[in-house]
Amino acid sequence: EDKVVQSPLSLVVHEGDTVTLNCSYEVTNFRSLLWYKQEKKAPTFLFMLTSSGIEKKSGRLSSILDKKELFSILNITATQTGDSAIYLCAVEARNSNSGYALNFGKGTSLLVTP
Amino acid sequence: DGGITQSPKYLFRKEGQNVTLSCEQNLNHDAMYWYRQDPGQGLRLIYYSQIVNDFQKGDIAEGYSVSREKKESFPLTVTSAQKNPTAFYLCASSSQGAVNTQYFGPGTRLTVL
Repeated sequence: EDKVVQSPLSLVVHEGDTVTLNCSYEVTNFRSLLWYKQEKKAPTFLFMLTSSGIEKKSGRLSSILDKKELFSILNITATQTGDSAIYLCAVEARNSNSGYALNFGKGTSLLVTP
Repeated sequence: DGGITQSPKYLFRKEGQNVTLSCEQNLNHDAMYWYRQDPGQGLRLIYYSQIVNDFQKGDIAEGYSVSREKKESFPLTVTSAQKNPTAFYLCASSSQGAVNTQYFGPGTRLTVL
């Protein structure tokens, strides 16, 4: 059973468009939710969210968490070709070894065309 | 120049052979992790180690082995028992308990011929 579900799985938009990526989760003992951008190599950190309703913003990217409805969104405004990447959502939660681990979604593959 | 390195970048292996992927970090992190990524999939945890000489199985440990003899190093061996070893392997590290602040290496792409 998927603990972290991202949608859509892939998306093609034109430069200048605004996109919204979704991440829903169902985990035990939620601690935080993270967004990463992956461009063929290592994922790079975008945001970490722990509290509901507080928007995190970095340039054209923003993200918010809803702990009641168990989801997060990542918004990208005025998209550029350099935004083309896989966007990964990960949820930190308790694992079977009684520690904490990151549970990753399958990612959303975004392609921004000129 | 602190960071986490993986080698090699690309690796080819014949079926039936074991192969070891290297992961080194100079961030003074206690915890290290190995993930596997397949096309269209997120990262899946193979093994992790929170301290030297100790490691735990992740979600997909079968066919893999690790060691943690030094704080800086966490090599992963893909054994012949791993049925579908072709994948992109990512190593990460974090401070003790800081699971949500993982730094990733550049990855190793393993192809089994």
